Amino acid sequence: TQLLEQSPQFLSIQEGENLTVYCNSSSVFSSLQWYRQEPGEGPVLLVTVVTGGEVKKLKRLTFQFGDARKDSSLHITAAQPGDTGLYLCAGANFGNEKLTFGTGTRLTIIP
Amino acid sequence: ETGVTQSPTHLIKTRGQQVTLRCSSQSGHNTVSWYQQALGQGPQFIFQYYREEENGRGNFPPRFSGLQFPNYSSELNVNALELDDSALYLCASSLGGLAATYEQYFGPGTRLTVT
Repeated sequence: TQLLEQSPQFLSIQEGENLTVYCNSSSVFSSLQWYRQEPGEGPVLLVTVVTGGEVKKLKRLTFQFGDARKDSSLHITAAQPGDTGLYLCAGANFGNEKLTFGTGTRLTIIP
Repeated sequence: ETGVTQSPTHLIKTRGQQVTLRCSSQSGHNTVSWYQQALGQGPQFIFQYYREEENGRGNFPPRFSGLQFPNYSSELNVNALELDDSALYLCASSLGGLAATYEQYFGPGTRLTVT
C-alpha cells in the first residue's frame, strides 16, 4: 500500500512569512499533484509534477518533486490570508489514475 | 467549458437506508473517480469508471457501487448506510485512455450525514 505523509499537519503563521509543507512516501510515484481545499468545497488542483527534480512556480508558490519521485515540497513566499486552506498532495502512477492522497496540512495565515 | 457538478449538495439519511449521489463530468472527460473524505482527513479512493466500466476499486465494501452512463456522468450508490458513512463524497473527472493525463478535477462534493 502506498502512503503519503504530510508535515506539518497544522501550521499557523503571520501574514508575510514564508513556509514549506512536505509530502513524503516510501514509494515511487509517476506524478504528484498538489491541491488546495476550502471548507465545504472540493479540492482544487494547483500543480502536477512528473519529472524527478522538477520545480514549478505558481506566483508565490514553488513546488518541487524529489529526484527519486518519492517526495515533494510546497514553499509559499510572503503568505497571505487568501492562502489559508487545506493543502493536499496526491500521488498517481501511470496506467492507474487512482490518486493516493496525503494526510493534509491545514494552513492558517493570520492577518 | 463546464466543470464537474455534483448533486445533491447535502443529504441526511437514516442508518440502514440507501442513497444515490450523482456527478456530471467535465466536458471532454471520459473517466470519473469517486472519493470519500471523512472530516479532517484526505480523500480515500472508492472506485473509478472509464467508458462505463469499473476501472479500479479501493478498499470499500460491495455495498458501495456505481454506474457510468454513455454521456460519462456517474452515480454512486451506497446501500445499508452506516453511521461511519457520514462524509464528504467527491467526484473527480479526468481524461483516460491513450490520451490520459494524471490530472483530476473535483466537484464541490456531497455532504452525507447518516443518523
